[in-house]
Amino acid sequence: NAGVTQTPKFQVLKTGQSMTLQCAQDMNHNSMYWYRQDPGMGLRLIYYSASEGTTDKGEVPNGYNVSRLNKREFSLRLESAAPSQTSVYFCASSERGNSYEQYFGPGTRLTVT
Amino acid sequence: AQSVAQPEDQVNVAEGNPLTVKCTYSVSGNPYLFWYVQYPNRGLQFLLKYITGDNLVKGSYGFEAEFNKSQTSFHLKKPSALVSDSALYFCAVRFLFSGGYNKLIFGAGTRLAVHP
Repeated sequence: NAGVTQTPKFQVLKTGQSMTLQCAQDMNHNSMYWYRQDPGMGLRLIYYSASEGTTDKGEVPNGYNVSRLNKREFSLRLESAAPSQTSVYFCASSERGNSYEQYFGPGTRLTVT
Repeated sequence: AQSVAQPEDQVNVAEGNPLTVKCTYSVSGNPYLFWYVQYPNRGLQFLLKYITGDNLVKGSYGFEAEFNKSQTSFHLKKPSALVSDSALYFCAVRFLFSGGYNKLIFGAGTRLAVHP
């Protein structure tokens, strides 16, 4: 099992450009999440998808959109990138129920100039 | 509102000495608490969790954590630190929403540096 995979690993964008970060998991998990990690701020939840067909805003959703394409895939889109979106983005997944552990992808390092 | 605090930005310890990384929490109801570790240029890895039961929880790589309800703390510990334990450590608390689904709220992280 590959676990949680993310593409790309690195990306540089100019202000105003758009892009989509891809995430896929092969653990048959119901829930998926997008976080951003900034120094001194830990991980902040951008959007989550409790199950296929549903998405909800997290703590910092402004400037982002998501799509839960199917049970495996959850993408994050930046429509018009801003320098404030320079960050490391992590996708995670978890199963519903008592385990509660989240499994993380390797991250995407995004720089917006 | 649920929240997690990690009061130390960095913890320095000599190899072979015991280590403690502190975490305090604020939740309504029973807390479900987690520790994750992040090595350089990697995603977060699950270390251990407290759901219920024994207040001392054992996890991966020889780590353990002690749940203290009266002090609302969940400190991470290891009896003898290794240089390879140097990493960024995150404490997290579960927020449960309807339907049995959950999300995690993370602390800001504590960098552990173990010196030879």
